[in-house]
Amino acid sequence: GAVVSQHPSRVICKSGTSVKIECRSLDFQATTMFWYRQFPKQSLMLMATSNEGSKATYEQGVEKDKFLINHASLTLSTLTVTSAHPEDSSFYICSARDETGYAEAFFGQGTRLTVV
Amino acid sequence: AQSVTQLDSQVPVFEEAPVELRCNYSSSVSVYLFWYVQYPNQGLQLLLKYLSGSTLVKGINGFEAEFNKSQTSFHLRKPSVHISDTAEYFCAVSESWGYNKLIFGAGTRLAVHP
Repeated sequence: GAVVSQHPSRVICKSGTSVKIECRSLDFQATTMFWYRQFPKQSLMLMATSNEGSKATYEQGVEKDKFLINHASLTLSTLTVTSAHPEDSSFYICSARDETGYAEAFFGQGTRLTVV
Repeated sequence: AQSVTQLDSQVPVFEEAPVELRCNYSSSVSVYLFWYVQYPNQGLQLLLKYLSGSTLVKGINGFEAEFNKSQTSFHLRKPSVHISDTAEYFCAVSESWGYNKLIFGAGTRLAVHP
């Protein structure tokens, strides 16, 4: 199947700094990518839909100035957590749907963010 | 809008026993249905999907699921589980047009004991 690569897999940062997470579709093009957040032992919560060449669509309650999303090419979307605080510590997962296939969504490996 | 309910947060089972993980969904439009598995600190892997056609869907690792439109259910089954099946399982739904976002259930922790 198609591969979605997410980097880094694990990051620790200090409070007040910004962290960028990359999500790449390696062997297919994705005009739409999705960013999820997962708290321990909980389900995936959709944060935003990333659209290539246009602004992301954020879910209700997600601060767009806090979680900056850039989808500059058909294979790359980035999520930047700005001015991170300990409550932003979480597992972030991206996904992309192969639009030439049968609607299957492929997921990155996830990024464990710890803000200290 | 769609929603997904996974009725069991945890399912303990002995090795080689059968298992069923339950999933019910709600939607006013036609949907696609998916089951994903997640191992600790990893992303999600697709087990199987229902798009259309036969209501019995077979997936990887011996899993299968049956779509029941009248009961709005999509239960996941495996006739004989292994220790390696211990993981978190998520049922998900999306609208059946375009490339829409997936809405996930809360997840079911399958714990297989020897």
